[in-house]
Amino acid sequence: SALTQPASVSGSPGQSITISCTGSSSDVGGYNYVSWYQQHPGKAPKLIIYDVTNRPSGISNRFSGSKSGSTASLTISGLQAEDEADFYCSSYTSASTVIFGGGTKLTVL
Amino acid sequence: EVRLVESGGGLVQPGRSLRLSCSASGFTFDDYAMHWVRQAPGKGLEWVSGISWNSYDIVYADSVQGRFTISRDNAKNSLYLQMDSLRPEDTAFYYCTKDTATMITGGFDYWGQETLVTVSS
Repeated sequence: SALTQPASVSGSPGQSITISCTGSSSDVGGYNYVSWYQQHPGKAPKLIIYDVTNRPSGISNRFSGSKSGSTASLTISGLQAEDEADFYCSSYTSASTVIFGGGTKLTVL
Repeated sequence: EVRLVESGGGLVQPGRSLRLSCSASGFTFDDYAMHWVRQAPGKGLEWVSGISWNSYDIVYADSVQGRFTISRDNAKNSLYLQMDSLRPEDTAFYYCTKDTATMITGGFDYWGQETLVTVSS
């Protein structure tokens, strides 16, 4: 089944928010292959974090990732209006497959 | 510039087949694992299948296991998804994606523009 993410989070410009992604020892907790994606309406998802903490080239350092046990987290600091989007986590699994979270809608107030 | 261009989507009746293709450019294709990810309209992302750089490792989501077949032709810089016994629940936008690594890790750093598959009678 899918990794567990909150359905929605919100924050005001300039604030920091954290989105959690909970799995099990067979996925998030067992491997350092957790990724995060940002998807704006009508657009393809964009990779913003991979291998738990790594940012691809060109991604703002306002985005950061971490993991504790079977829960991974994405933190966005200094919220900006353009950050409003859907966010998805994914993880490699013990079956050598990949699993996504259900997605979190971020609203910038 | 990395480009992934999908083709082959369309309207198909339940039980029929469809083959998706993805043409890759702008990177050394045979250095990376590749995947198909889908998204039903208005829904979340669902990983469908992945293939390692040398086709040695091939994996599928349970929802498509036994019905879909992923393959790649490194000489043609192309990725494919043969979809058989299609069901209405396979209706989705299908994305071709590039892994960040040679083997399957699930970090998809480049995505195609998607192709829509609609399964309906």
